[in-house]
Amino acid sequence: KAGVTQTPRYLIKTRGQQVTLSCSPISGHRSVSWYQQTPGQGLQFLFEYFSETQRNKGNFPGRFSGRQFSNSRSEMNVSTLELGDSALYLCASWSLAGANEQFFGPGTRLTVL
Amino acid sequence: TQLLEQSPQFLSIQEGENLTVYCNSSSVFSSLQWYRQEPGEGPVLLVTVVTGGEVKKLKRLTFQFGDARKDSSLHITAAQPGDTGLYLCAGGKNNNDMRFGAGTRLTVKP
Repeated sequence: KAGVTQTPRYLIKTRGQQVTLSCSPISGHRSVSWYQQTPGQGLQFLFEYFSETQRNKGNFPGRFSGRQFSNSRSEMNVSTLELGDSALYLCASWSLAGANEQFFGPGTRLTVL
Repeated sequence: TQLLEQSPQFLSIQEGENLTVYCNSSSVFSSLQWYRQEPGEGPVLLVTVVTGGEVKKLKRLTFQFGDARKDSSLHITAAQPGDTGLYLCAGGKNNNDMRFGAGTRLTVKP
C-alpha cells in the first residue's frame, strides 16, 4: 500500500507570494490533517479534513486555508507569505478504524525569502 | 504551554547505553502514539498504546502507558547510532483531536 505523498518536496518563495501544497493520503483513508513544524514551535496543528469538510482548525491566521477533494486528496494554501511561514509542512492521513493513528508524508520544506 | 511535556528535550549518549524518555500530561488520553522523525522527513509511527498500564516492545524499544493514561515512557536498550532522531509523543482524545509534544532529540554517538 502506498504511503502518504506530498508535493512538492521543496519550495522557495518570496514574501507576499502565495503557495499551494498538495497531499495524497493512503488509499482508503478519508481524513487528512496538516501541521506546520518549526524548530522553535515544534508540530503545530493547522486543520483537519474529512469527506471534503473541515472538522477542526488550529490557531493560525486566515492566510492559511485548505480543502479536500472527493478522492480525499487535500491541498493547503498560504497567501501573502511572510518570512515566519518558512517551515516543514506535514500532511497526515488516518482511517476512522485506527486508534488515532496518523501516518505522515515526507513533508514540504517551504522557504520564504 | 504544551499539553504534552516531553523530557529530556535533548539527549546525547554513547552507543550501547540505555536511555528513557518521558511524555507527561495532566490530561487523560484514549490513546498515545510514539513517532521517530529524521531530519527533513515526516514522523514515522513506532507504536500505539491504548490501555492503562500497557507495555509494548519493539525490538530494543519498550513503551509503557501510565495506569491513568496521562503519561508514557520510551526505554531504549543498548542504543545504536541508527536510533538517532527526534522522538515525538502524541495523545489522542478522539479521532480528530491529536496533540503532540515538543519532542526529545536523541543523538547516539558511535
